[in-house]
Amino acid sequence: DAGVTQSPTHLIKTRGQQVTLRCSPKSGHDTVSWYQQALGQGPQFIFQYYEEEERQRGNFPDRFSGHQFPNYSSELNVNALLLGDSALYLCASSLDDRPDNEQFFGPGTRLTVL
Amino acid sequence: AQSVTQLDSHVSVSEGTPVLLRCNYSSSYSPSLFWYVQHPNKGLQLLLKYTSAATLVKGINGFEAEFKKSETSFHLTKPSAHMSDAAEYFCVVTFPLDTGRRALTFGSGTRLQVQP
Repeated sequence: DAGVTQSPTHLIKTRGQQVTLRCSPKSGHDTVSWYQQALGQGPQFIFQYYEEEERQRGNFPDRFSGHQFPNYSSELNVNALLLGDSALYLCASSLDDRPDNEQFFGPGTRLTVL
Repeated sequence: AQSVTQLDSHVSVSEGTPVLLRCNYSSSYSPSLFWYVQHPNKGLQLLLKYTSAATLVKGINGFEAEFKKSETSFHLTKPSAHMSDAAEYFCVVTFPLDTGRRALTFGSGTRLQVQP
């Protein structure tokens, strides 16, 4: 079992561009959550997908959008990139959407916006 | 609203000495609480979780935490630190299932250094 995988590992973009990050959940997991971790801070919840629907959203603008595919993999899209979007983006998967289930995290995608 | 406060941004201990990482939470509900560890260039890993069963929770690698409702605390301890324990530790709180809310709320983290 490869665990949670994310691609790419690193990404450099310029302000105003758009970016797509990808996540494959741990085998058997159907729920994917996305987090943004700025340097020196704890991860901040962006949104969660379950059964291909966005089930809950954190305090992030509409520039952040996502999708979950029938095979449970997920994408995070960010439009009109700002310098402040530079961060480590973490994907986590879990078995169903119970909040007390363990979430398994991927290694993250490091996004740098210049 | 709910939040979690990690009282120390950095903790330094000597190898073989006890570890104490402090966490206080605020929640309108009976929370579920977790400790996660983040090693450099690795994903976050669950150390242990509390979900209203036993108040003393044992986790992996010799870590344990005690839920104290009266003090709204969930401190992480280990009797004897090992060099491999050096990492960033996050205290996490989440809502109960019946609230329909699913987000994990992370503290700001405590960086543990272990001196030889």
